[in-house]
Amino acid sequence: AQKVTQAQTEISVVEKEDVTLDCVYETRDTTYYLFWYKQPPSGELVFLIRRNSFDEQNEISGRYSWNFQKSTSSFNFTITASQVVDSAVYFCALSEAPNFGNEKLTFGTGTRLTIIP
Amino acid sequence: DAGVIQSPRHEVTEMGQEVTLRCKPISGHNSLFWYRQTMMRGLELLIYFNNNVPIDDSGMPEDRFSAKMPNASFSTLKIQPSEPRDSAVYFCASSFRTPYRGYGYTFGSGTRLTVV
Repeated sequence: AQKVTQAQTEISVVEKEDVTLDCVYETRDTTYYLFWYKQPPSGELVFLIRRNSFDEQNEISGRYSWNFQKSTSSFNFTITASQVVDSAVYFCALSEAPNFGNEKLTFGTGTRLTIIP
Repeated sequence: DAGVIQSPRHEVTEMGQEVTLRCKPISGHNSLFWYRQTMMRGLELLIYFNNNVPIDDSGMPEDRFSAKMPNASFSTLKIQPSEPRDSAVYFCASSFRTPYRGYGYTFGSGTRLTVV
């Protein structure tokens, strides 16, 4: 069975500090996808990134970067120079998708990030 | 593209009443998912459809919950009768994934249901 663990329940940092959100996953499939979503106070789920299991390259998008390591089954998310607008709950999710059309997501419990001005 | 459209955004109902949540997926997406978010259980999958056919409803909590997808552009999640413990945010998502078109997965804005 698939499982996603976000051990950090809540994190608070002062604005402009860097912060890393941890995500560890479990799966028996060789083909899978990993996601990060942001849920601001307004409640919607905002897509941040999707990664497939065959692509271990790290990715950077502005102040955001992701470190995917299959050896440790981790997909960590770093925000550089944090801003107050980054305050939200962040979810990591896993999709085991050996068959097309079967991409249900399993979510972690989320990390509530608070950026202190 | 208007995205995944859910209605209503907010619903307050009395215990025992029937509640129907609606979802319009993105045109061209062939899978549709209903998720529920609560403080106690987080985000959990209730049911999903592929090409309008229910594939896995093992997440549906009990017989009071039912979901339908009569066509590729519409799905409903019904709770009858509703109970206070059904209060949650219900998200609909749609996706496509093919060898040639790549992979897209989009969530709606959610319906916040309160049962009093």
